[in-house]
Amino acid sequence: NAGVTQTPKFQVLKTGQSMTLQCAQDMNHNSMYWYRQDPGMGLRLIYYSASEGTTDKGEVPNGYNVSRLNKREFSLRLESAAPSQTSVYFCASSEDRGISQPQHFGDGTRLSIL
Amino acid sequence: AQKITQTQPGMFVQEKEAVTLDCTYDTSDQSYGLFWYKQPSSGEMIFLIYQGSYDEQNATEGRYSLNFQKARKSANLVISASQLGDSAMYFCAMRERSGGGADGLTFGKGTHLIIQP
Repeated sequence: NAGVTQTPKFQVLKTGQSMTLQCAQDMNHNSMYWYRQDPGMGLRLIYYSASEGTTDKGEVPNGYNVSRLNKREFSLRLESAAPSQTSVYFCASSEDRGISQPQHFGDGTRLSIL
Repeated sequence: AQKITQTQPGMFVQEKEAVTLDCTYDTSDQSYGLFWYKQPSSGEMIFLIYQGSYDEQNATEGRYSLNFQKARKSANLVISASQLGDSAMYFCAMRERSGGGADGLTFGKGTHLIIQP
């Protein structure tokens, strides 16, 4: 039972470099999400995809783009990385957008921008 | 104003004691869901328990229960008979029907729980 798989687990980038974080889920979930977690903070929503073929902005979308490649995969791209994007990134999925549906999280990607 | 407030940044509890982690929330929606997640030092986010705004009974999952007081807008997590393995960060989160235009969970800042032997 892999659940939600994120790659890579760790990455160090230089300011201005680009990078794509990968996320895949094997639970046949319709909805997928990207969050970031900064020290002393809870998670904040970057982008989400309610269903295959749709994406929408969350609370902190600036500096990011996403692609819902298919039902399983949802990637997050940093086009020109900035030190303020140093964070732990979590991908999550849920069966659908229902308020009773828990979100299941990947193990996170620790990203450092120098 | 914060939508989810967890007032206890850190707590120390003796093993086998019961623990209550506080969570208050702010929403104008009638329909919403409340969730608790555990984040051990290894970093993963583990779903613990869910409470719906229309649920009349408090949710329970094994040693976890939720003390839901709708009028006070509080959803406190209770862990019975605490164990050393319960040491972790605990996050309260809410999912609203309207979501202010954005879907997803709104998280509190968390409570760092340390169980002492």
